[in-house]
Amino acid sequence: EAQVTQNPRYLITVTGKKLTVTCSQNMNHEYMSWYRQDPGLGLRQIYYSMNVEVTDKGDVPEGYKVSRKEKRNFPLILESPSPNQTSLYFCASSADRGAYEQYFGPGTRLTVT
Amino acid sequence: GENVEQHPSTLSVQEGDSAVIKCTYSDSASNYFPWYKQELGKGPQLIIDIRSNVGEKKDQRIAVTLNKTAKHFSLHITETQPEDSAVYFCAASIPSGYSTLTFGKGTMLLVSP
Repeated sequence: EAQVTQNPRYLITVTGKKLTVTCSQNMNHEYMSWYRQDPGLGLRQIYYSMNVEVTDKGDVPEGYKVSRKEKRNFPLILESPSPNQTSLYFCASSADRGAYEQYFGPGTRLTVT
Repeated sequence: GENVEQHPSTLSVQEGDSAVIKCTYSDSASNYFPWYKQELGKGPQLIIDIRSNVGEKKDQRIAVTLNKTAKHFSLHITETQPEDSAVYFCAASIPSGYSTLTFGKGTMLLVSP
């Protein structure tokens, strides 16, 4: 089954404690990205990756890091989480950028206290 | 960059009625306009998309129209059913450089039996 998986699905942490949210896709997609979803603000892109070792900033990259060492994996790293990073996070993948269907993961609900 | 405005933010209809969600975009170079449906607790899923070389596209009870001159596009759902209740996102993509999708803020559709 074609899918994007994220882990963990739910996470409660404290300010400053480094965390990583994993993302993996089994569709051999070139393009992967991370979004955050906040009430009234919709989906905003954090980072994206065109291929292995190629990443770039989206609209709201501050406070986040990513890496793309393997085609299937695209982890999101919060080195020093803050309460304003409490949000619902989605990983997505597609065959290419722009005009292609994006497949979203199930989401990770992060709370930073 | 691209800016996508979506209206209304919430929409309540009776089962069997039609629902219309409207989006406007700012960059005339945008050429791909997808619509995503997000059910509670899940990631967004593509339901229909349209490219700038066509004015309308239908898929059963769902249709999308595009007016390039006015830079707006709309989602039409006919004969709504309770399972249509979800958050709907429109998006636009510019076909240049590292083009990415810009999403609207979403519309919560509630279909009452």
